[in-house]
Amino acid sequence: DQQVKQNSPSLSVQEGRISILNCDYTNSMFDYFLWYKKYPAEGPTFLISISSIKDKNEDGRFTVFLNKSAKHLSLHIVPSQPGDSAVYFCAASGAGGTSYGKLTFGQGTILTVHP
Amino acid sequence: EPEVTQTPSHQVTQMGQEVILRCVPISNHLYFYWYRQILGQKVEFLVSFYNNEISEKSEIFDDQFSVERPDGSNFTLKIRSTKLEDSAMYFCASSSDWGGTDTQYFGPGTRLTVL
Repeated sequence: DQQVKQNSPSLSVQEGRISILNCDYTNSMFDYFLWYKKYPAEGPTFLISISSIKDKNEDGRFTVFLNKSAKHLSLHIVPSQPGDSAVYFCAASGAGGTSYGKLTFGQGTILTVHP
Repeated sequence: EPEVTQTPSHQVTQMGQEVILRCVPISNHLYFYWYRQILGQKVEFLVSFYNNEISEKSEIFDDQFSVERPDGSNFTLKIRSTKLEDSAMYFCASSSDWGGTDTQYFGPGTRLTVL
């Protein structure tokens, strides 16, 4: 199932700089997108989401951009901090129909922020 | 801040044995989910549950799996006869609405090891 793809398995960034994590999807029925952060031995922690009717959503240091025509979304973290080091998952869900809230996840990107 | 809790944190069982994984969703949430993550792989949807019924299930969720909300607070996943390939992290999640318009909050997970 490759409906949601994160093509970069890892990203390394200097503290204070911008981190950009990317996600692509193939299913045009997806209309809600989320980013989760995960530390080892913990569950995914919700970060930020965006509905398909928007192209940008911002929450503090985190901004998610959605390009529907390209079926692409990205998460920007500015400024990056060492505590941001974790695995970041992109997830998507479709509206109603036969998809009752099921989230489809990408493979994850390991972000390392160096002091 | 309300959170989803799961017990046990680690369960070791012999192949062919039954296991029950327990979850306490966030108290005012109405929609419940189970996901799993096999080591090194994506987080995968198993089942969604609402109003005491399964709403959607994946191909993974075969007759060996069942879910139940035995009382007003717990949500359980039962695997009747465990196989080696059931070894994974199992995450419970809950939301106040379908994941298409609301956010799913995840528990810390139960690591299931089948020997």
